[in-house]
Amino acid sequence: AQTVTQSQPEMSVQEAETVTLSCTYDTSESDYYLFWYKQPPSRQMILVIRQEAYKQQNATENRFSVNFQKAAKSFSLKISDSQLGDAAMYFCAYSGTASKLTFGTGTRLQVTL
Amino acid sequence: DSGVTQTPKHLITATGQRVTLRCSPRSGDLSVYWYQQSLDQGLQFLIQYYNGEERAKGNILERFSAQQFPDLHSELNLSSLELGDSALYFCASSVGQAYGYTFGSGTRLTVV
Repeated sequence: AQTVTQSQPEMSVQEAETVTLSCTYDTSESDYYLFWYKQPPSRQMILVIRQEAYKQQNATENRFSVNFQKAAKSFSLKISDSQLGDAAMYFCAYSGTASKLTFGTGTRLQVTL
Repeated sequence: DSGVTQTPKHLITATGQRVTLRCSPRSGDLSVYWYQQSLDQGLQFLIQYYNGEERAKGNILERFSAQQFPDLHSELNLSSLELGDSALYFCASSVGQAYGYTFGSGTRLTVV
């Protein structure tokens, strides 16, 4: 079974600074998708960014980018120019052959002035 | 609005009761997934339906059941409720993995 590990329960970043959230996963599959979801206090699950495992190029969405290291099974999220609205719980998720999403335990990000 | 509609948003019920949570997927999405999120926990996969058929099961209790109807909306039935069933229940829909998964706003169930 696939597992997703987020080893940082909480992170803090100052406004306008850059922060990186870590995620590792375990799988024997070669084709899969990885996602970062944001869950603000409203509890809505919002897709931040996704990466196809067959693509070597790291995905980027505005201030959000990933560092995808397939051999190391690592998928970190970098948030640049952090804003107060970025404060939320961030979940890393995996989807493979089974197509369901397997989530990590989340990282709570605080953004300070 | 994500396009995935879940009702009700909040539900308070007593132990031993039965409730039904409803999900309407985004237009065109054939797959529906149900997840449970207990307080300050990650999301646990419960069950997936694809075009009316059960496709995969996760850690879903025998007291829980689900179905997807011909119009593609789905219902999650929770029976003999216990205090520990209190959680946020999410529905997500997808047209395919490559396009990601869209979540509804969830149903917060409180069992008292």
